[in-house]
Amino acid sequence: GAVVSQHPSRVICKSGTSVKIECRSLDFQATTMFWYRQFPKKSLMLMATSNEGSKATYEQGVEKDKFLINHASLTLSTLTVTSAHPEDSSFYICSAHRDRPTYEQYFGPGTRLTVT
Amino acid sequence: AQSVTQPDIHITVSEGASLELRCNYSYGATPYLFWYVQSPGQGLQLLLKYFSGDTLVQGIKGFEAEFKRSQSSFNLRKPSVHWSDAAEYFCAVGAGGTSYGKLTFGQGTILTVHP
Repeated sequence: GAVVSQHPSRVICKSGTSVKIECRSLDFQATTMFWYRQFPKKSLMLMATSNEGSKATYEQGVEKDKFLINHASLTLSTLTVTSAHPEDSSFYICSAHRDRPTYEQYFGPGTRLTVT
Repeated sequence: AQSVTQPDIHITVSEGASLELRCNYSYGATPYLFWYVQSPGQGLQLLLKYFSGDTLVQGIKGFEAEFKRSQSSFNLRKPSVHWSDAAEYFCAVGAGGTSYGKLTFGQGTILTVHP
């Protein structure tokens, strides 16, 4: 099956610093990737849709200046959490949408961000 | 706006017993429906999906789900649960059109399997 990787799997940073999370589709090209946030014992919340070569589309309530998304190639999307604060601590998951032949989304293993 | 409800936060079954996880959705058009499983340290894995056609869909690992439009439900079933099925299960509804690919997830159901 299609594989999506995320790096890093875990990161701890100090409050006020920025953290970049990478999402890669390893064996297919993805014009569209999605970023989700998952709180403990909660569902996945869609943060934004990442479109290759164009600006990301953010969901209502998600600060685009805090969560910078770049989709520079058909296999890589990055999420940068800028000026991180403890409340940004969470589990961030990306997915890559594959067109032919499956028209499915494939999910990365997630990144655990802890802001101290 | 679309929404998904999984009424059961936690379900415990004995190994070998049958399983049914409930999912109700709200969507204005014909929905795209999915069931995913998430194990600790693993990404979400697709169990099965419904786009159109036969309302009973078969998935991987012996799972099946039935789309019932009249009840706005897409319940997941397995006739005999294995200990390795212990995980968290998410039902999701997908949008079409210009929002194609965007998924709305339910709250998840944690499945515990007793030996």
